[in-house]
Amino acid sequence: EVQLVESGGGLVQPGGSLRLSCAASGFTFNNYAMSWIRQAPGKGLEWVSAISGSGDNTYYADSVKGRFTISRDNSKNVLYLQMNSLRAEDTAVYFCAREKKIGAVGTVGFDYWGQGTLVTVPS
Amino acid sequence: EIVLTQSPGTLSLSPGERATLSCRASQSVSSSYLAWYQQKPGQAPRLLIYSASTRATGIPDRFSGSGSGTDFTLTISRLEPEDFAVYYCQQYGTSWTFGHGTKVEIK
Repeated sequence: EVQLVESGGGLVQPGGSLRLSCAASGFTFNNYAMSWIRQAPGKGLEWVSAISGSGDNTYYADSVKGRFTISRDNSKNVLYLQMNSLRAEDTAVYFCAREKKIGAVGTVGFDYWGQGTLVTVPS
Repeated sequence: EIVLTQSPGTLSLSPGERATLSCRASQSVSSSYLAWYQQKPGQAPRLLIYSASTRATGIPDRFSGSGSGTDFTLTISRLEPEDFAVYYCQQYGTSWTFGHGTKVEIK
């Protein structure tokens, strides 16, 4: 059974840092690209960052570029999100999600999600 | 960045009725990269449809997706009690973006 379990959320002051983790199990982790997606309280979904299966390629939303760093440890089956220079607008539940790939088409969506971890940055 | 506009914002229906949800893109989207998700309160989103019309694993056939270009539709043929939730469309152009969601509530 595929499982994704996030941890590391909490309350952090503006300008502070936090590292989120996502422990994966039930599938061959290094075969899959992974993403972080967040949801502000009562709001919709926002894609934050993605990383290829090997970890060689990373991608970021403009809203977090230069402040957040995605990484992975394929020996431990763990995905990370290092968040620096945090702002009030970063307050959200952060989900990790596995990318669903279809042959030559590439990623067509996110087929497994964790339960999310809440990050709160007061204004 | 491609903007997805979902309508209506809220759909009030009774169990057994048909639900039709719309997702309109600000520019043309490849059908391969249009997906739909369901989210219930306190839960993570669940992938329903990918590539505009392909049901994800385990999704009942009362859910169907259609459309191309800038106009896409999610249809729930007969609402079951567990289908009352928020639905999001998602696309990939140069990055992934989501619509703001349609809430399907019990009338």
